[in-house]
Amino acid sequence: EAGVTQFPSHSVIEKGQTVTLRCDPISGHDNLYWYRRVMGKEIKFLLHFVKESKQDESGMPNNRFLAERTGGTYSTLKVQPAELEDSGVYFCASSQGTGSREQYFGPGTRLTVT
Amino acid sequence: QKEVEQNSGPLSVPEGAIASLNCTYSDRGSQSFFWYRQYSGKSPELIMSIYSNGDKEDGRFTAQLNKASQYVSLLIRDSQPSDSATYLCAVNGGSSSASKIIFGSGTRLSIRP
Repeated sequence: EAGVTQFPSHSVIEKGQTVTLRCDPISGHDNLYWYRRVMGKEIKFLLHFVKESKQDESGMPNNRFLAERTGGTYSTLKVQPAELEDSGVYFCASSQGTGSREQYFGPGTRLTVT
Repeated sequence: QKEVEQNSGPLSVPEGAIASLNCTYSDRGSQSFFWYRQYSGKSPELIMSIYSNGDKEDGRFTAQLNKASQYVSLLIRDSQPSDSATYLCAVNGGSSSASKIIFGSGTRLSIRP
């Protein structure tokens, strides 16, 4: 069974540009989460999808971040316009079914904003 | 006060010994507790989950939970060089959100031959 996959693995963009990150969860997992780790800090929650619906987006830092999960399969996270402080590693995780608690993480996308 | 606190280490343990990793959390409403292992530059890998007070064993790993003390630990028996990694304690969001996981900053573990 394939794990959580993320694309791209690395992205380097200039301040003010737009970047879109993609996550494909484990097949059959209804729950999809985005997290990020900025330098020197803990991994922080961004948001949670159940199928195509946003269940909890309390961790989204501001309106420059837009997450979608059309059709309840893969998800995208767009940052527009990117700022220097957005640099970090963006992780996606998925879990199975209602009330599932164990989340499995993808390899992450390392975003560098210059 | 951080929501999940861990000693950052590094914790150095001789090969074959027991490594003991500790974690405390602040939200008494938390119900689910996890240990993730993260090698440098890699993703967090779930190695243990525990939901009720007491011990849970899986191979060389034992997770211990004490909700009254808001304390979680991970014991690694017969430590191997391949166990050298950063271990992340993680707790579900409890009162604020049951879906999100809150991570500690991690403890770096080094197993010396």
